[in-house]
Amino acid sequence: RKEVEQDPGPFNVPEGATVAFNCTYSNSASQSFFWYRQDCRKEPKLLMSVYSSGNEDGRFTAQLNRASQYISLLIRDSKLSDSATYLCVVASSGGSYIPTFGRGTSLIVHP
Amino acid sequence: NAGVTQTPKFRVLKTGQSMTLLCAQDMNHEYMYWYRQDPGMGLRLIHYSVGEGTTAKGEVPDGYNVSRLKKQNFLLGLESAAPSQTSVYFCASIPKEITTETQYFGPGTRLLVL
Repeated sequence: RKEVEQDPGPFNVPEGATVAFNCTYSNSASQSFFWYRQDCRKEPKLLMSVYSSGNEDGRFTAQLNRASQYISLLIRDSKLSDSATYLCVVASSGGSYIPTFGRGTSLIVHP
Repeated sequence: NAGVTQTPKFRVLKTGQSMTLLCAQDMNHEYMYWYRQDPGMGLRLIHYSVGEGTTAKGEVPDGYNVSRLKKQNFLLGLESAAPSQTSVYFCASIPKEITTETQYFGPGTRLLVL
């Protein structure tokens, strides 16, 4: 079983739609959680960190459920420019800090 | 600050040739990482370093070697390239004081092995 699992998609949604991605992780000792965005042939870039209390940044909301070991990303009012791959990243701080990436979820927003 | 830079940006090799990929960061970060990304596979960790002079294996280290002689540089070597090493390679770095810190990525090196 892969440590971090995501539905690869693609999620194909119209502009203005609300879309949600989930990610599950297997290491219960994980302490840091992130969502990254990756555009085609580009490096990953941090979208937002994910905190236990949940956090929101504009149209984006991230949630963490430690009991069920999953994190989620909600995108409201989707824009064409949101089309990208969204990577779930999980890390534990015990010993060396090694972030582990999910395979990514592809989002396509169409007019 | 230039952030994280990678050299070269693109390279074509023949099977059996060797090459070195250079990652450089000017942020005085302690931790550095090399990943490879293949279609549908996400980013997989090859090797990483927690400081100057130290390296460790990641998830897919076979066929690669690394060195961290200077804190700002992390080199990835392919001694005898194979077609299976055709991939996009990303380097990343992070400071030592990590709580909810994130990684800073280089722009990637695209490698084609024929």
